[in-house]
Amino acid sequence: ETGVTQTPRHLVMGMTNKKSLKCEQHLGHNAMYWYKQSAKKPLELMFVYNFKEQTENNSVPSRFSPECPNSSHLFLHLHTLQPEDSALYLCASSQVLLAWEQYFGPGTRLTVT
Amino acid sequence: EDKVVQSPLSLVVHEGDTVTLNCSYEVTNFRSLLWYKQEKKAPTFLFMLTSSGIEKKSGRLSSILDKKELSSILNITATQTGDSAIYLCAASMNRDDKIIFGKGTRLHILP
Repeated sequence: ETGVTQTPRHLVMGMTNKKSLKCEQHLGHNAMYWYKQSAKKPLELMFVYNFKEQTENNSVPSRFSPECPNSSHLFLHLHTLQPEDSALYLCASSQVLLAWEQYFGPGTRLTVT
Repeated sequence: EDKVVQSPLSLVVHEGDTVTLNCSYEVTNFRSLLWYKQEKKAPTFLFMLTSSGIEKKSGRLSSILDKKELSSILNITATQTGDSAIYLCAASMNRDDKIIFGKGTRLHILP
């Protein structure tokens, strides 16, 4: 069983809504990541956090706002999204920053209407 | 522009066959090449390759990097239906710790 959980598993939201995705890891890892996977695009790394500090923002639009209150929890706050933001959002964690053995959560399937 | 290209995009073979998946990359400040297996939803890590010509093996899977040709292959021998998945290749760079993923190869193993 994965040590990384994500909620909700599915989310449908309108373009004017505000919602948040939650990720929690029970592995004692220090680094956490948000990825986006669209149907027709490669997996994209969005944000990287190391010991609660953001170390990378891969040119992600400001309508996506990450928050990492502690090493175990990671949020992705969403507001005024576009239909093209519909995708699978994956959270991952690793023991150290950018270690390649990353553990992924099951993902949140987001649909923006 | 940094990019990672995988081929084929999809592949259907029969159980027991051997398959070879290809990945080529053009990135600045290359650091390592990674392979992932994605089934259902979350990718699982397979290999990280940093040195050219050294094969890495895990059971029926093996992979090798060719830095001269800027490419890598992933081999799966004696395929099983459980190998059906999307196989993702990614290149990491020293600059800004960036990672670029390919579009993946969708592999389907017929029983």
